[in-house]
Amino acid sequence: AQKITQTQPGMFVQEKEAVTLDCTYDTSDQSYGLFWYKQPSSGEMIFLIYQGSYDEQNATEGRYSLNFQKARKSANLVISASQLGDSAMYFCAMSYYGNNRLAFGKGNQVVVIP
Amino acid sequence: DVKVTQSSRYLVKRTGEKVFLECVQDMDHENMFWYRQDPGLGLRLIYFSYDVKMKEKGDIPEGYSVSREKKERFSLILESASTNQTSMYLCASSLPPENGYTFGSGTRLTVV
Repeated sequence: AQKITQTQPGMFVQEKEAVTLDCTYDTSDQSYGLFWYKQPSSGEMIFLIYQGSYDEQNATEGRYSLNFQKARKSANLVISASQLGDSAMYFCAMSYYGNNRLAFGKGNQVVVIP
Repeated sequence: DVKVTQSSRYLVKRTGEKVFLECVQDMDHENMFWYRQDPGLGLRLIYFSYDVKMKEKGDIPEGYSVSREKKERFSLILESASTNQTSMYLCASSLPPENGYTFGSGTRLTVV
């Protein structure tokens, strides 16, 4: 079974600093995708970034980058220059079953302080 | 802009009632999903559908059923609501994975 692990406790981050959120995964599939989502207090799930298992370059989207280390089965999210609006729960997820299913980790709470 | 719409933001139902949660997407996506989210447990897949009238069980299908009569609409049904089904329910749809799965804004269901 696919398993996504996010073990960090809630994090406080100073505004304008970078923060790294850890994610490890376990799968026997060769083809899979890795995602990060942001869920602010309003509840909607906002897609941030995607990394395919065959992509050789780390994905980047604006202030978000995904540090993909395939051999270690890790897909850490880096948020650069944190903003107050980055305060949210962050979920790591992995697609499997031919990308027809998405398994989620339990999330990391991030609070950005001025 | 692509959209997934869930019909209710908040819902309160009584134990034993039959409950329908509706989800509509306007992106012509093949795949649609229902998740429930509980504190400390993350999101867990209840059911998904990869085509009209096609459905597959997810990780926690017990106590739920689904209906997909039209491509754009995916309904989650609680046959006889119980208090342990009090949760946030999230619908999603997807096409190419690199575009992410698009989620609705969620339905917070309370069963009393």
